[in-house]
Amino acid sequence: DAMVIQNPRYQVTQFGKPVTLSCSQTLNHNVMYWYQQKSSQAPKLLFHYYDKDFNNEADTPDNFQSRRPNTSFCFLDIRSPGLGDAAMYLCATSKGTQPQHFGDGTRLSIL
Amino acid sequence: EDQVTQSPEALRLQEGESSSLNCSYTVSGLRGLFWYRQDPGKGPEFLFTLYSAGEEKEKERLKATLTKKESFLHITAPKPEDSATYLCAVRASGGGADGLTFGKGTHLIIQP
Repeated sequence: DAMVIQNPRYQVTQFGKPVTLSCSQTLNHNVMYWYQQKSSQAPKLLFHYYDKDFNNEADTPDNFQSRRPNTSFCFLDIRSPGLGDAAMYLCATSKGTQPQHFGDGTRLSIL
Repeated sequence: EDQVTQSPEALRLQEGESSSLNCSYTVSGLRGLFWYRQDPGKGPEFLFTLYSAGEEKEKERLKATLTKKESFLHITAPKPEDSATYLCAVRASGGGADGLTFGKGTHLIIQP
């Protein structure tokens, strides 16, 4: 089945140690999104790629970066994770403005 | 700033007891209102998109409706497997394929 796959499902890192989360898709969608969801909170958009064009939300911390080397893959890099960055990170894809399809997320813990 | 408020935060129903979840929104030009279901430890699963006031969509025991200020998700004769968090989200005008603004969700529990 075509889907959005996030790896790893669980990631533990140390305070200040860079970490990379990955997302791949077999839907051939041109738009890929990264959301941060803290416990019992709404998913919050961090940034998205429309094809190769990167779109950053105004309030996304500089600590968060993203790469999209090709249509299928997108990465979220957290350069120096703080305790407040512990959350579920959700990747989503869409074809233009059609509904977004989400992966099952990566739960990030900071020690 | 776009805002989405969902109520109630949590709802416990008996199996077969119908109810409605509310999503009120403030947005500068609505380009779609979306309902998702999220199970624990999973990503949101798409349910419905509504684009204009008066529009309705149905799927099994769920029916979504839209007015100019709010949307309702009606659940008819729910079953325990309908237990989940239901998220409402909006896409505002601004061009391109902008991301969604989500509400915090309604945590729904259906007791057998």
